[in-house]
Amino acid sequence: QKEVEQDPGPLSVPEGAIVSLNCTYSNSAFQYFMWYRQYSRKGPELLMYTYSSGNKEDGRFTAQVDKSSKYISLFIRDSQPSDSATYLCAMSVGGQNFVFGPGTRLSVLP
Amino acid sequence: DGGITQSPKYLFRKEGQNVTLSCEQNLNHDAMYWYRQDPGQGLRLIYYSQIVNDFQKGDIAEGYSVSREKKESFPLTVTSAQKNPTAFYLCASSIRGQVYEQYFGPGTRLTVT
Repeated sequence: QKEVEQDPGPLSVPEGAIVSLNCTYSNSAFQYFMWYRQYSRKGPELLMYTYSSGNKEDGRFTAQVDKSSKYISLFIRDSQPSDSATYLCAMSVGGQNFVFGPGTRLSVLP
Repeated sequence: DGGITQSPKYLFRKEGQNVTLSCEQNLNHDAMYWYRQDPGQGLRLIYYSQIVNDFQKGDIAEGYSVSREKKESFPLTVTSAQKNPTAFYLCASSIRGQVYEQYFGPGTRLTVT
């Protein structure tokens, strides 16, 4: 079993839809949970990070962590074609052991 | 503008040649990282440095070398010992101890034939 798993997609949704992107993980010691957005042939861009369990909202994006299920989610409301990218989750134990998921490719159709 | 620059964007080399990828940051970050990204795989850590003149191996350091002589610069050399060097290479930086808030450069696509 890989340490962090993501459905690779591609996930195609119509413009305006609510998107749910998910990651599961096996290491219960992970404390920080990050979401990055990566456009084709570009470097990843940090969207947000959360510490431990709970929700965090930033504009149209909401990150959710369920440590009991070892499951994290990123929700995108009112999705736009400009949201079309690969979304990478990442996790770390404090300042160590930083692991990325393989990414989910999202396509938002106009 | 503060940020991370990587050069060149595309690099082509013949097998058996060493090649050095540049990474510069003006964010005043102490920590810098090198990752490799292959299709369908997550980013894998090659080397990282928490402070000038110090660096540690990541998960896939074999065939790579780095130096950290200046805070702003963290060049990566892909040696001829790296068996599959063709990949997308990403450099990142962060405040020391805040690995959860890394900022990435635009990447270098290396093709070795």
